Amino acid sequence: AQKITQTQPGMFVQEKEAVTLDCTYDTSDPSYGLFWYKQPSSGEMIFLIYQGSYDQQNATEGRYSLNFQKARKSANLVISASQLGDSAMYFCAMMNSGYSTLTFGKGTMLLVSP
Amino acid sequence: EAQVTQNPRYLITVTGKKLTVTCSQNMNHEYMSWYRQDPGLGLRQIYYSMNVEVTDKGDVPEGYKVSRKEKRNFPLILESPSPNQTSLYFCASSLQAGVGNTIYFGEGSWLTVV
Repeated sequence: AQKITQTQPGMFVQEKEAVTLDCTYDTSDPSYGLFWYKQPSSGEMIFLIYQGSYDQQNATEGRYSLNFQKARKSANLVISASQLGDSAMYFCAMMNSGYSTLTFGKGTMLLVSP
Repeated sequence: EAQVTQNPRYLITVTGKKLTVTCSQNMNHEYMSWYRQDPGLGLRQIYYSMNVEVTDKGDVPEGYKVSRKEKRNFPLILESPSPNQTSLYFCASSLQAGVGNTIYFGEGSWLTVV
């Protein structure tokens, strides 16, 4: 069975600093995809970044990058130059081949202070 | 603008009064699904649809119905809502099911059943 673990319930960072949100996963399937989503207090679920298990390079999307370490089964999200608007809950999620559902971690609450 | 649109965004209803939460996507996606998000339980899949006229149960389908008559629409029907269906509901879509496809979520529908 697939499992996502986010060990940081909350993180604090100052504006303009970089922050890393941890995510480890467990699967025996060689083909899988890893996602990060942002959920602000208003509730919507915003897609940030995607990494496929066979992708050779780490994914990047603007200020977001995914530090993918396949052997360690980790997919950490790095946010560079944090902004106040980055304060939100962040979820790591995984989809395996042959499945049609995303498995989510419990999330990490990020608070960015001025 | 590419998006997944849910309506209503907020609803308070009474036990037993049938309601429908609509979901529409304008990205010509084949795959659509519904999730609910509850404190302590995370996000759980209710139903999914691989394509028009093809639907299947997710992890928590009891008390819900869906239909997929058109590619763009995937309504969630609560025939007889109960208080335990109070939740934040998300519709999601992707070009196709499976690994390699980015999954986009709607803005969420806050449902309270009293």
